[in-house]
Formats: sequence, structure tokens, C-alpha cells
Amino acid sequence: EVQLVESGGGLVKPGGSLRLSCAASGFTFSNAWMTWVRQAPGKGLEWVGHIKYKTDGGTTDYAAPVKGRFTISRDDSKNTLYLQMNSLNTEDTALYYCFGGWVVGTTYFQHWGQGTLVTVSS
Amino acid sequence: EIVLTQSPGTLSLSPGERATLSCRASQSVSSSSLAWYQQKPGQAPRLLIYAASSRATGIPDRFSGSGSGTDFTLTISRLEPEDFAVYYCQQYGSSPYTFGQGTNLEIK
Repeated sequence: EVQLVESGGGLVKPGGSLRLSCAASGFTFSNAWMTWVRQAPGKGLEWVGHIKYKTDGGTTDYAAPVKGRFTISRDDSKNTLYLQMNSLNTEDTALYYCFGGWVVGTTYFQHWGQGTLVTVSS
Repeated sequence: EIVLTQSPGTLSLSPGERATLSCRASQSVSSSSLAWYQQKPGQAPRLLIYAASSRATGIPDRFSGSGSGTDFTLTISRLEPEDFAVYYCQQYGSSPYTFGQGTNLEIK
């Protein structure tokens, strides 16, 4: 069974840092592009960024509001995705989801976690 | 940045009816790199359609996607009670991979 479980969310003061994790199982993590998406309370979905799998370059890409403050990384030996968030502000308050996407043959598969809540408040 | 505009914002229909949701891009989406998601309250989004018209694994065939360039459509042929939810489109042809603002499909 495919599972993605996010953790690390919580309450943090403006200017603070937090590291989110996304533990994956049930698929070949090292062959998946991994993505972070966030959803502010009562709002729509916002793409945060992604990391390609290593044989596709392993590169990262970020949305403008988080570029330079957030860093996405992966540890394929632990089947875990990370989101290091620095210089947090109140606009970063959201439910953070990770999802993985991979191709088997000609079919694309995608699976999402249930999210972890980040609240930035003084 | 490609801006995706979904219409209508809210769609009120009855079970058994046909739903047509629109997603318009501010510039052409390369390689028809467009996806549709369904999100129910308290749940994570679920992929319905990728590459504009390919159904994701396990998605019923009453869901179909079409379009290219700047105009895309998600059609639900006969609404089931479980289909009432919020639907988002996303383009992944060029960074940043933007989402539309969503269409709320509600029971009439």
C-alpha cells in the first residue's frame, strides 16, 4: 500500500524555522518526483516546489514566494522528503502536503499525504 | 507565470446531471501538461486527469478531460453524490507549476 506521511508541523513565531518531513512507503521513492503543495486555511492549493529524482538530475524548483527561504531535499536511503522552512512569516501558515509522482510503463501514478499544519504566529 | 482561471467559481447541479468545468490559461500550456484534481472537505486532493485527457488509475470513466493550448475542460458525464467537491486544475508545463483557484461543485 502506498503511503506518504508528513510530520514536523506546528506553531512557530515569525522569523522562525521549521523542518517538515514526508515519509514514503509502498513505491520506489528513488524513482519519484516529489512535490510540496500548501493550502492556507479556507483557500486554494499553492505549489511550493519539487525535487526530481536523482537520475533525472535531482534538481529543485520553487515558487517565487518561498524561493531563498525554503529548501527541498530528499534522502532516498530513508525514503524521506524534507522541506526546510526559514524566515517564516504569517503568510506561510497553511496545511502542507507532499505528493509523489512516478511512471510505470506509460502510466503515471501519483499519491498524496494527508498534510501537516504549519501555523506562524506571535 | 501562467495564470489559470477556472469557471464557474461555483456550479450547482443535481445528481445525474452533466458537469462541465473550464480552466483557461493566460498562455499556452506546453505539451498539454495539465492536470485536474478533486478535493473533498478534510481530505487531500486526488488526481483525476493528467496530460489534459488521461484518467488517473482508479478514476471512473464518467470523468473526462479535454483541451489544449489555453483552454481545458473537465467533464463529469453523470454526477454521482460523491462527486460534489472542489475541483482544481494545475499546469506543469512551465515553472512555477500553478493551480487554478478552484470550482466548487455543489448539490442543487
